[in-house]
Amino acid sequence: DTGVSQDPRHKITKRGQNVTFRCDPISEHNRLYWYRQTLGQGPEFLTYFQNEAQLEKSRLLSNRFSAERPKGSFSTLEIQRTEQGDSAMYLCASSSLRQGADTQYFGPGTRLTVL
Amino acid sequence: QKEVEQNSGPLSVPEGAIASLNCTYSDRVSQSFFWYRQYSGKSPELIMSIYSNGDKEDGRFTAQLNKASQYVSLLIRDSQPSDSATYLCAVSEYNQGGKLIFGQGTELSVKP
Repeated sequence: DTGVSQDPRHKITKRGQNVTFRCDPISEHNRLYWYRQTLGQGPEFLTYFQNEAQLEKSRLLSNRFSAERPKGSFSTLEIQRTEQGDSAMYLCASSSLRQGADTQYFGPGTRLTVL
Repeated sequence: QKEVEQNSGPLSVPEGAIASLNCTYSDRVSQSFFWYRQYSGKSPELIMSIYSNGDKEDGRFTAQLNKASQYVSLLIRDSQPSDSATYLCAVSEYNQGGKLIFGQGTELSVKP
């Protein structure tokens, strides 16, 4: 257990529905990252926050995806009008600028299945 | 497009042997390099980080970095069946927010 938690662990939804995932980072970590991983591939960067500011979003990311980190603590990732291609494992990671910035620790992930 | 390349495997080694996992990257400004282990259905688990040319050892694991050749490797000594997993290589640039660019992973199978 890295100290990063994600909820839910599994989500099954029908195409066209909206889903929201939550990530709670390690408490002293000020950077939070979202990645997506499909079978047989490495994780793909989606977006990241430093404190409450969203500093980068992947250009490949559809505008159906939105993320927030309102108080610089937990973060949510919402996918609107889900499509079957959104089926993947959604991973959250956190790191601390004060501890060398880019060593990221991953949560257990949320596995999304879109029917 | 920055790329990180790994052989997908599977790489099969007998128990007790040395497993050698390799990774190349395309972006010369990459500064930080990581190896993660991922068991099937689980999330990536950090094994090693390396920032400078040369070797870094931690227990049975040794990471090797050669920035001139844009090459990073992971050696696992005395491989155990419990080491059977997918090993992900990741690189980042400090001034790019630290986001990680991953390879597709190498599947390692250690046979008893």
